[in-house]
Amino acid sequence: EDQVTQSPEALRLQEGESSSLNCSYTVSGLRGLFWYRQDPGKGPEFLFTLYSAGEEKEKERLKATLTKKESFLHITAPKPEDSATYLCAVQISGGSYIPTFGRGTSLIVHP
Amino acid sequence: NAGVTQTPKFQVLKTGQSMTLQCAQDMNHNSMYWYRQDPGMGLRLIYYSASEGTTDKGEVPNGYNVSRLNKREFSLRLESAAPSQTSVYFCASRLTGASSGANVLTFGAGSRLTVL
Repeated sequence: EDQVTQSPEALRLQEGESSSLNCSYTVSGLRGLFWYRQDPGKGPEFLFTLYSAGEEKEKERLKATLTKKESFLHITAPKPEDSATYLCAVQISGGSYIPTFGRGTSLIVHP
Repeated sequence: NAGVTQTPKFQVLKTGQSMTLQCAQDMNHNSMYWYRQDPGMGLRLIYYSASEGTTDKGEVPNGYNVSRLNKREFSLRLESAAPSQTSVYFCASRLTGASSGANVLTFGAGSRLTVL
């Protein structure tokens, strides 16, 4: 069975304290891996798509990387406004487009 | 550009009551989805519509029905609400095709449903 596991479930950082979020997956053929950000009371918003091992994407303080088994979302010198839940989703090759979501990592950045 | 609009934002029902959650998108997207989000469970797919005129079950379809009214609108109906259906419901849409944005889901703001 295809699975997506995110860790840690929750992460508290001080402003400026860099860290990484992990998304590990066991799927039979990866079409794409997606990162979304979700603020409290809102719907998820798209951040990145990664398609192949070795690929990296960056946006401000965030950088997403992909290997054959996992993806990392690196947060460099975070600010309080980076506090949110970060969701990972994978799409397998073939069939209908139905991404499978992980349970998310709740990030709180303290000033 | 409104994106994906869900109504209502909040609803309280009694067990056994019925209701319909409405979703509309103005991005000319082909595919639409209904998810539910529960604490500790992540997003789970209820139903999806790959294109106008088609609907398919997702991971947790029991107790729900859907209607793809036209290309813009995709509604979710609870015929006889149960406390287990207390959740936050998200509608999403996706542009299909070969463009770089074709695999990205655009979500609505959510509908918070409580069943007493």
